[in-house]
Amino acid sequence: QSALTQPRSVSGSPGQSVTISCTGTSSDVGAYNYVSWYQQHPGKVPKLMIYDVTKRPSGVPDRFSGSKSGNTASLTISGLQAEDEADYFCCSHAGTYTWVFGGGTKLTVL
Amino acid sequence: EVLLVESGGGLVKPGGSLGLSCTASGFSFSAYNMNWVRQAPGKGLEWVSSMTRGTGKTYYADSVKGRFTVSRDNAKNSLFLQMNSLRVDDTALYFCAREQITGSALDYWGQGTPVTVSS
Repeated sequence: QSALTQPRSVSGSPGQSVTISCTGTSSDVGAYNYVSWYQQHPGKVPKLMIYDVTKRPSGVPDRFSGSKSGNTASLTISGLQAEDEADYFCCSHAGTYTWVFGGGTKLTVL
Repeated sequence: EVLLVESGGGLVKPGGSLGLSCTASGFSFSAYNMNWVRQAPGKGLEWVSSMTRGTGKTYYADSVKGRFTVSRDNAKNSLFLQMNSLRVDDTALYFCAREQITGSALDYWGQGTPVTVSS
Protein backbone atom coordinates (compact mmCIF):
# COMPACT_ATOMS: atom_id res chain seq x y z
CA GLN A 1 0.00 0.00 0.00
CA SER A 2 2.60 2.55 -1.06
CA ALA A 3 1.33 6.05 -1.79
CA LEU A 4 0.93 7.11 -5.39
CA THR A 5 3.62 9.50 -6.62
CA GLN A 6 2.69 13.10 -7.38
CA PRO A 7 4.90 16.15 -7.92
CA ARG A 8 5.16 18.20 -4.72
CA SER A 9 4.20 21.39 -6.52
CA VAL A 10 3.17 22.86 -9.85
CA SER A 11 2.43 26.40 -10.88
CA GLY A 12 0.91 28.37 -13.70
CA SER A 13 -0.35 31.81 -14.59
CA PRO A 14 -4.02 32.70 -14.91
CA GLY A 15 -5.42 31.42 -18.18
CA GLN A 16 -2.69 28.83 -18.67
CA SER A 17 -3.01 25.07 -18.37
CA VAL A 18 -1.27 22.80 -15.88
CA THR A 19 -1.07 19.04 -15.63
CA ILE A 20 -0.53 17.06 -12.45
CA SER A 21 0.71 13.50 -12.78
CA CYS A 22 -0.02 10.57 -10.51
CA THR A 23 2.11 7.46 -10.87
CA GLY A 24 1.20 4.15 -9.35
CA THR A 25 1.73 0.51 -10.21
CA SER A 26 0.08 -2.30 -12.13
CA SER A 27 -1.70 -3.17 -8.86
CA ASP A 28 -3.52 0.13 -8.48
CA VAL A 29 -3.62 2.85 -11.17
CA GLY A 30 -2.75 0.40 -13.93
CA ALA A 31 -5.24 -2.20 -12.76
CA TYR A 32 -8.41 -0.17 -12.35
CA ASN A 33 -10.24 2.66 -14.07
CA TYR A 34 -11.15 3.93 -10.61
CA VAL A 35 -8.82 6.94 -10.42
CA SER A 36 -10.22 10.00 -8.73
CA TRP A 37 -8.90 13.48 -7.96
CA TYR A 38 -9.66 15.68 -4.96
CA GLN A 39 -9.18 19.40 -4.47
CA GLN A 40 -8.47 20.66 -0.96
CA HIS A 41 -8.22 24.31 -0.01
CA PRO A 42 -6.40 25.10 3.26
CA GLY A 43 -8.47 24.10 6.25
CA LYS A 44 -11.23 22.70 4.07
CA VAL A 45 -12.63 19.28 3.29
CA PRO A 46 -11.44 17.41 0.18
CA LYS A 47 -13.76 17.88 -2.79
CA LEU A 48 -14.19 15.27 -5.50
CA MET A 49 -13.23 16.76 -8.88
CA ILE A 50 -12.75 13.74 -11.16
CA TYR A 51 -13.81 10.09 -10.86
CA ASP A 52 -13.55 7.02 -13.07
CA VAL A 53 -10.39 8.61 -14.57
CA THR A 54 -12.26 11.12 -16.74
CA LYS A 55 -15.71 11.89 -15.31
CA ARG A 56 -16.67 15.14 -13.59
CA PRO A 57 -19.27 15.34 -10.82
CA SER A 58 -22.07 17.78 -11.33
CA GLY A 59 -20.90 21.33 -10.66
CA VAL A 60 -17.22 20.80 -11.43
CA PRO A 61 -16.12 23.10 -14.28
CA ASP A 62 -15.14 21.47 -17.55
CA ARG A 63 -11.76 23.17 -17.19
CA PHE A 64 -10.88 20.11 -15.12
CA SER A 65 -10.13 16.93 -17.04
CA GLY A 66 -8.55 13.58 -16.31
CA SER A 67 -6.74 10.90 -18.25
CA LYS A 68 -4.71 7.76 -17.74
CA SER A 69 -2.00 5.89 -19.57
CA GLY A 70 -0.65 2.71 -18.11
CA ASN A 71 0.28 3.24 -14.48
CA THR A 72 0.10 7.04 -14.65
CA ALA A 73 -2.99 9.20 -14.34
CA SER A 74 -3.11 12.92 -14.97
CA LEU A 75 -5.27 15.87 -14.01
CA THR A 76 -5.27 18.84 -16.36
CA ILE A 77 -6.65 22.22 -15.39
CA SER A 78 -7.07 24.60 -18.29
CA GLY A 79 -7.83 28.31 -18.13
CA LEU A 80 -6.30 28.55 -14.65
CA GLN A 81 -8.12 30.77 -12.19
CA ALA A 82 -6.98 32.14 -8.85
CA GLU A 83 -9.57 29.97 -7.07
CA ASP A 84 -7.89 26.83 -8.43
CA GLU A 85 -4.95 27.38 -6.08
CA ALA A 86 -5.17 24.43 -3.72
CA ASP A 87 -3.75 21.00 -2.94
CA TYR A 88 -4.72 18.19 -5.30
CA PHE A 89 -4.71 14.51 -4.40
CA CYS A 90 -5.11 11.56 -6.71
CA CYS A 91 -6.62 8.30 -5.50
CA SER A 92 -6.96 4.81 -6.91
CA HIS A 93 -8.45 1.50 -6.01
CA ALA A 94 -5.65 -0.74 -4.71
CA GLY A 95 -7.65 -3.93 -4.41
CA THR A 96 -11.11 -4.90 -3.30
CA TYR A 97 -12.57 -2.06 -1.24
CA THR A 98 -9.17 -0.55 -0.53
CA TRP A 99 -7.81 2.79 -1.67
CA VAL A 100 -4.45 4.49 -2.03
CA PHE A 101 -3.86 8.23 -2.26
CA GLY A 102 -1.09 10.25 -3.78
CA GLY A 103 1.08 12.44 -1.61
CA GLY A 104 -0.58 15.58 -2.92
CA THR A 105 0.43 18.43 -5.22
CA LYS A 106 0.31 22.09 -4.28
CA LEU A 107 -0.93 24.18 -7.18
CA THR A 108 0.15 27.80 -7.14
CA VAL A 109 -1.51 30.29 -9.47
CA LEU A 110 1.12 32.94 -10.14
CA GLU B 1 -28.46 17.33 1.55
CA VAL B 2 -25.82 14.72 2.33
CA LEU B 3 -24.20 15.36 5.68
CA LEU B 4 -21.51 13.45 7.53
CA VAL B 5 -20.61 14.57 11.03
CA GLU B 6 -17.69 13.04 12.89
CA SER B 7 -17.18 13.14 16.63
CA GLY B 8 -15.11 11.55 19.36
CA GLY B 9 -11.68 12.94 18.62
CA GLY B 10 -9.39 14.19 21.35
CA LEU B 11 -6.06 13.90 23.13
CA VAL B 12 -4.88 10.45 24.16
CA LYS B 13 -1.60 9.02 25.42
CA PRO B 14 0.43 6.53 23.39
CA GLY B 15 -0.97 3.06 23.89
CA GLY B 16 -4.41 4.42 24.68
CA SER B 17 -7.75 3.97 22.97
CA LEU B 18 -10.32 6.23 21.37
CA GLY B 19 -13.61 5.69 19.58
CA LEU B 20 -14.79 7.85 16.69
CA SER B 21 -18.33 8.17 15.37
CA CYS B 22 -19.75 9.44 12.11
CA THR B 23 -23.43 10.26 11.85
CA ALA B 24 -24.91 10.40 8.37
CA SER B 25 -28.01 12.10 7.05
CA GLY B 26 -29.57 13.02 3.74
CA PHE B 27 -29.13 9.63 2.07
CA SER B 28 -29.87 5.95 2.53
CA PHE B 29 -26.90 5.09 4.73
CA SER B 30 -27.33 1.32 4.54
CA ALA B 31 -26.96 1.39 0.75
CA TYR B 32 -23.42 2.75 0.73
CA ASN B 33 -19.92 1.55 1.53
CA MET B 34 -18.32 3.89 4.05
CA ASN B 35 -14.71 4.80 4.71
CA TRP B 36 -12.36 6.47 7.17
CA VAL B 37 -9.55 8.61 5.78
CA ARG B 38 -7.01 10.54 7.85
CA GLN B 39 -4.72 13.48 7.31
CA ALA B 40 -1.75 14.12 9.57
CA PRO B 41 -0.97 17.81 10.19
CA GLY B 42 0.48 19.33 7.04
CA LYS B 43 0.48 15.97 5.27
CA GLY B 44 -1.51 14.15 2.62
CA LEU B 45 -4.55 11.93 2.76
CA GLU B 46 -4.26 8.33 3.94
CA TRP B 47 -7.04 5.78 3.55
CA VAL B 48 -7.61 4.01 6.86
CA SER B 49 -10.55 1.63 6.62
CA SER B 50 -13.72 0.74 4.77
CA MET B 51 -16.87 -1.16 5.56
CA THR B 52 -19.19 -2.46 2.88
CA ARG B 53 -22.92 -2.18 2.72
CA GLY B 54 -24.86 -5.39 2.97
CA THR B 55 -22.42 -8.00 4.26
CA GLY B 56 -20.50 -5.43 6.29
CA LYS B 57 -17.07 -6.68 5.28
CA THR B 58 -14.20 -4.64 6.67
CA TYR B 59 -10.87 -3.61 5.20
CA TYR B 60 -7.88 -1.84 6.73
CA ALA B 61 -4.67 -0.10 5.76
CA ASP B 62 -1.60 -2.06 6.83
CA SER B 63 -0.66 0.79 9.16
CA VAL B 64 -3.73 0.23 11.36
CA LYS B 65 -4.53 -3.45 10.84
CA GLY B 66 -4.93 -5.26 14.15
CA ARG B 67 -5.30 -2.01 16.10
CA PHE B 68 -8.36 -0.32 14.56
CA THR B 69 -11.85 -1.76 14.14
CA VAL B 70 -14.54 -0.28 11.92
CA SER B 71 -18.22 -0.96 12.47
CA ARG B 72 -21.58 0.49 11.52
CA ASP B 73 -25.12 0.70 12.83
CA ASN B 74 -27.45 1.14 9.88
CA ALA B 75 -30.44 1.70 12.16
CA LYS B 76 -28.67 4.73 13.60
CA ASN B 77 -27.08 5.85 10.31
CA SER B 78 -23.71 5.69 12.00
CA LEU B 79 -20.17 4.56 11.28
CA PHE B 80 -17.63 3.94 14.00
CA LEU B 81 -13.88 3.53 14.33
CA GLN B 82 -12.45 1.99 17.47
CA MET B 83 -8.77 2.82 17.74
CA ASN B 84 -6.59 0.85 20.17
CA SER B 85 -2.86 0.82 20.87
CA LEU B 86 -2.62 4.33 19.53
CA ARG B 87 0.76 5.64 18.41
CA VAL B 88 2.12 9.15 17.98
CA ASP B 89 1.96 8.73 14.20
CA ASP B 90 -1.79 8.13 14.41
CA THR B 91 -2.14 11.85 15.12
CA ALA B 92 -4.36 13.23 12.37
CA LEU B 93 -7.69 14.67 11.35
CA TYR B 94 -9.99 11.71 10.76
CA PHE B 95 -12.57 12.04 8.00
CA CYS B 96 -15.61 9.89 7.40
CA ALA B 97 -16.27 9.56 3.66
CA ARG B 98 -19.05 8.02 1.60
CA GLU B 99 -18.18 5.86 -1.36
CA GLN B 100 -20.12 6.52 -4.55
CA ILE B 101 -22.80 3.92 -5.24
CA THR B 102 -20.66 2.72 -8.16
CA GLY B 103 -17.77 2.21 -5.74
CA SER B 104 -15.42 4.33 -7.79
CA ALA B 105 -14.69 7.37 -5.60
CA LEU B 106 -15.34 9.04 -2.27
CA ASP B 107 -17.99 11.61 -3.06
CA TYR B 108 -18.94 13.14 0.29
CA TRP B 109 -16.71 13.88 3.25
CA GLY B 110 -17.35 15.03 6.78
CA GLN B 111 -15.51 17.93 8.37
CA GLY B 112 -13.25 15.57 10.29
CA THR B 113 -12.49 15.03 13.97
CA PRO B 114 -8.96 15.61 15.30
CA VAL B 115 -7.02 12.92 17.13
CA THR B 116 -3.81 13.78 18.94
CA VAL B 117 -1.63 11.04 20.41
CA SER B 118 0.92 12.52 22.76
CA SER B 119 2.40 11.91 26.17
